[in-house]
Amino acid sequence: KAGVTQTPRYLIKTRGQQVTLSCSPISGHRSVSWYQQTPGQGLQFLFEYFSETQRNKGNFPGRFSGRQFSNSRSEMNVSTLELGDSALYLCASSLLAGGSYNEQFFGPGTRLTVL
Amino acid sequence: DAKTTQPTSMDCAEGRAANLPCNHSTISGNEYVYWYRQIHSQGPQYIIHGLKNNETNEMASLIITEDRKSSTLILPHATLRDTAVYYCIVRVVAAGNKLTFGGGTRVLVKP
Repeated sequence: KAGVTQTPRYLIKTRGQQVTLSCSPISGHRSVSWYQQTPGQGLQFLFEYFSETQRNKGNFPGRFSGRQFSNSRSEMNVSTLELGDSALYLCASSLLAGGSYNEQFFGPGTRLTVL
Repeated sequence: DAKTTQPTSMDCAEGRAANLPCNHSTISGNEYVYWYRQIHSQGPQYIIHGLKNNETNEMASLIITEDRKSSTLILPHATLRDTAVYYCIVRVVAAGNKLTFGGGTRVLVKP
């Protein structure tokens, strides 16, 4: 079956703009998590959604927000972009809301560059 | 989630076993040990996980010490395609799917 899809794959924005990234999980998966990866901070958890509800949130400012739709697709939005928001944004999907045998599948990521 | 400590990097010869250590001395009883890897320019990939017992799957083996304060991921016959950053993560599975990544170990498999 198809893997996790993220669009767009690459994006260039300027400071002050806003951006919306999209993630389509594996068919049947209801949990979507978002991560930010930068050379300096590594992989950091942003938030997690399950059945359209945010279940977990990382330590990021309110400029970072997300949502999940009834078909489990998820979007994340970053407003008032800063240079430090340049990163690879990764989406992961899994079948369940938790549990040990709940493997998470990561997408290829969206590379965001803020100029 | 408990903090993990891993070597920054290690080299391994192709065809030989690669043993990747991880220290998680503050792990609590309800935390599992997970291993993921990230090959360059790709998203992380799940490898294996365990609670107390040693585990094996088609990719690797996981050895957890009896006191659970450390573990070792074993890639039995490393190939060039195993070159990646390997992350050891401990998490409470009942608390959702959040993964807390550390710095990981950069493994270079050499011919």
